[in-house]
Amino acid sequence: EPEVTQTPSHQVTQMGQEVILRCVPISNHLYFYWYRQILGQKVEFLVSFYNNEISEKSEIFDDQFSVERPDGSNFTLKIRSTKLEDSAMYFCASRDRGSHYGYTFGSGTRLTVV
Amino acid sequence: EDKVVQSPLSLVVHEGDTVTLNCSYEVTNFRSLLWYKQEKKAPTFLFMLTSSGIEKKSGRLSSILDKKELFSILNITATQTGDSAIYLCAVEPEDGAGSYQLTFGKGTKLSVIP
Repeated sequence: EPEVTQTPSHQVTQMGQEVILRCVPISNHLYFYWYRQILGQKVEFLVSFYNNEISEKSEIFDDQFSVERPDGSNFTLKIRSTKLEDSAMYFCASRDRGSHYGYTFGSGTRLTVV
Repeated sequence: EDKVVQSPLSLVVHEGDTVTLNCSYEVTNFRSLLWYKQEKKAPTFLFMLTSSGIEKKSGRLSSILDKKELFSILNITATQTGDSAIYLCAVEPEDGAGSYQLTFGKGTKLSVIP
């Protein structure tokens, strides 16, 4: 079964550093997403990406964040100048147009900012 | 603002019991409601519901949607210890941008004890 792959599975970074979280969505999917889940809280939408541009973003997704699809397969989330409150599980997801099976989520990257 | 409320927040049952998990929602321009199971990491897809009154089944799990009363239930019969997980409900709006971002509830943590 096709999978969404995320790397690394766990990243520890110092406050103020930049991190890049990587995702390889399912190859024929068209929509790509980043969500995050702070420990003990809801899964929250960050950003959606379609046709090589951001289609929607939440209030959380401020200038500190950026996304890129640098080649045909990777989809990255960059967090500049990380803060302690950025510590969370970050999930990448992808879906096909009109999918009846919802999104496929990756297994997540646990980001710990110290 | 879209809103999803799940109840109960946690539940402890014995193996063999039947459980019902609840999800109520408010969303502008409803497109679908989705149920996910979250064990260690990634939410895994269970059901996508778009029409009222049509039960979806997968083994011991079933779900139904009531679009008039704005809720859904997820039933699990003959529970097993492997059903222990957090069950997430999410709604997907029909938006013009086509991004179909999900709004999640806090989840119901189900613990099945032998």
